[in-house]
Amino acid sequence: EAQVTQNPRYLITVTGKKLTVTCSQNMNHEYMSWYRQDPGLGLRQIYYSMNVEVTDKGDVPEGYKVSRKEKRNFPLILESPSPNQTSLYFCASSYDSGSPLHFGNGTRLTVT
Amino acid sequence: GEDVEQSLFLSVREGDSSVINCTYTDSSSTYLYWYKQEPGAGLQLLTYIFSNMDMKQDQRLTVLLNKKDKHLSLRIADTQTGDSAIYFCAGVSGSARQLTFGSGTQLTVLP
Repeated sequence: EAQVTQNPRYLITVTGKKLTVTCSQNMNHEYMSWYRQDPGLGLRQIYYSMNVEVTDKGDVPEGYKVSRKEKRNFPLILESPSPNQTSLYFCASSYDSGSPLHFGNGTRLTVT
Repeated sequence: GEDVEQSLFLSVREGDSSVINCTYTDSSSTYLYWYKQEPGAGLQLLTYIFSNMDMKQDQRLTVLLNKKDKHLSLRIADTQTGDSAIYFCAGVSGSARQLTFGSGTQLTVLP
């Protein structure tokens, strides 16, 4: 089954403790992207990747890192999480940047 | 870049039609999309319309595109409780030609 898999689904952590949210797709998509969703603000793009080893900042990249060492994986790294990063995070992929996106089921992160 | 705007909330009675509206600024988008997000889930592609079309119908869904006014709408006929969700419109914009999403419209279907 074609899908985007994020892990974990739920994560509660403390300020400053490094964490990684994994994302993997099995559709051989070139384009991958991370979003955060907050009430009233819709989806805001954090980082995106056009292909392996090619990543770029989205609208809200501060406090986040990504890597794209393999085509299928696009992990989101929070080196020193802060409470304002409490949010619902989505990973998505598509054939290319303008094609319809396939979304993962989301990771709900709480930073205390 | 693209600016995509939607109203945040819409309530309708079960069986009525729902109309969700969206305005956008970048007219170069080849396709415009509607996504649906059910509680606890990611976004699912619901339907889309090619930019040279005015209307697309898909069972209970009708998408209308007014390119002159840069206005996109999604009509759901005979709205059911299972249609309660957040609906996002999206278009392609920017030099990287990426999807830009509206803020989403929370549709609540009342019995």
